[in-house]
Amino acid sequence: GAVVSQHPSRVICKSGTSVKIECRSLDFQATTMFWYRQFPKQSLMLMATSNEGSKATYEQGVEKDKFLINHASLTLSTLTVTSAHPEDSSFYICSALSAYEQYFGPGTRLTVT
Amino acid sequence: RKEVEQDPGPFNVPEGATVAFNCTYSNSASQSFFWYRQDCRKEPKLLMSVYSSGNEDGRFTAQLNRASQYISLLIRDSKLSDSATYLCVVNVPTSGTYKYIFGTGTRLKVLA
Repeated sequence: GAVVSQHPSRVICKSGTSVKIECRSLDFQATTMFWYRQFPKQSLMLMATSNEGSKATYEQGVEKDKFLINHASLTLSTLTVTSAHPEDSSFYICSALSAYEQYFGPGTRLTVT
Repeated sequence: RKEVEQDPGPFNVPEGATVAFNCTYSNSASQSFFWYRQDCRKEPKLLMSVYSSGNEDGRFTAQLNRASQYISLLIRDSKLSDSATYLCVVNVPTSGTYKYIFGTGTRLKVLA
């Protein structure tokens, strides 16, 4: 099946710093990618829809100035968590859309100290 | 009402049992439905898509009821390895395209 990679898989950062997470579709082109966040024992919450060449569409309650999304090419979307705080610690998962199926990256575990 | 709802469980069943999960959705314009499986601290993996006529894959059967706006997943002859969280995913129309919304997930524990 299709492969989606995420980098880094784990990151620990200090409060107030910014962290960039990359999501790549390795063997197909994805005009649409999604970013999800999952807190412990909860389901995946859609944060935003990333469309190549245009601005991301954010879900209600997600601050677009805090979670910067850039979908610069058909195989790469990035999520930057700016001025991270401990409450931003979570599991961030991206997915890329191929036809009507989503392929998920392995996730990035962010810990903000 | 949430866009996609599931009973969080856990469902504790003995090996060999048959277990069924339901998932309700609120938007009648939704077109695509899926069941995903998620193991602890891993990314979700597609278990099966759900087709209008219902579909089966080995021990797993998925069904769609558009009139009542729910999908179901039936697991027969449960194995220990079936223990996981099962997430239903529904596409929801938005601004000329679709986004994919996850249910809260249903935890299944298959007991020896």
